[in-house]
Amino acid sequence: KQEVTQIPAALSVPEGENLVLNCSFTDSAIYNLQWFRQDPGKGLTSLLLIQSSQREQTSGRLNASLDKSSGRSTLYIAASQPGDSATYLCAVAQGGSEKLVFGKGTKLTVNP
Amino acid sequence: AAGVIQSPRHLIKEKRETATLKCYPIPRHDTVYWYQQGPGQDPQFLISFYEKMQSDKGSIPDRFSAQQFSDYHSELNMSSLELGDSALYFCASSALTMDSVSYNEQFFGPGTRLTVL
Repeated sequence: KQEVTQIPAALSVPEGENLVLNCSFTDSAIYNLQWFRQDPGKGLTSLLLIQSSQREQTSGRLNASLDKSSGRSTLYIAASQPGDSATYLCAVAQGGSEKLVFGKGTKLTVNP
Repeated sequence: AAGVIQSPRHLIKEKRETATLKCYPIPRHDTVYWYQQGPGQDPQFLISFYEKMQSDKGSIPDRFSAQQFSDYHSELNMSSLELGDSALYFCASSALTMDSVSYNEQFFGPGTRLTVL
């Protein structure tokens, strides 16, 4: 059974800092990996999708990497801003099934 | 750009009542997923449909059923509601292939917040 772990559970940083969120998964036979952002009580916003054949994806100040063999992904956020404060969720789609298995998220607070 | 639409956004029911949640996927998306997110929890997969056929099933109680209609919208029917069913219910949609490229990025709707009293 696929298990997804995110470390740290919570992170508080000053504005302008670069930061890394970590995600690990137990079964490397994944189809793809998605990073989401969720504001309190709101829906999930897709940030980046990495296919299993890819190593990284970039969108603006965000960069996500994938090391499938070691079961790890990182989300790098450059020059963090208070508006980046949210919970960031990592989710993997298993090969043969499109359903997403989520980690419990990292709650990020960027202080002005 | 068009997003996933869910209705209603909020729903309050009594125990043992029934509820129907609706989802309208992004146009041209062929797959719909339902997820349940309890308070302080991560989303849990319930069920999915590809081209109107059930494609995968997760931890969905027998009291729940779902279907996808000819216009691709989907409904999640929940009966004999229990207090523990109180949660955010998300619908997501994706296109398995687009322009001959395997894609499958899931886009989530805003969710329906169900409260069972």
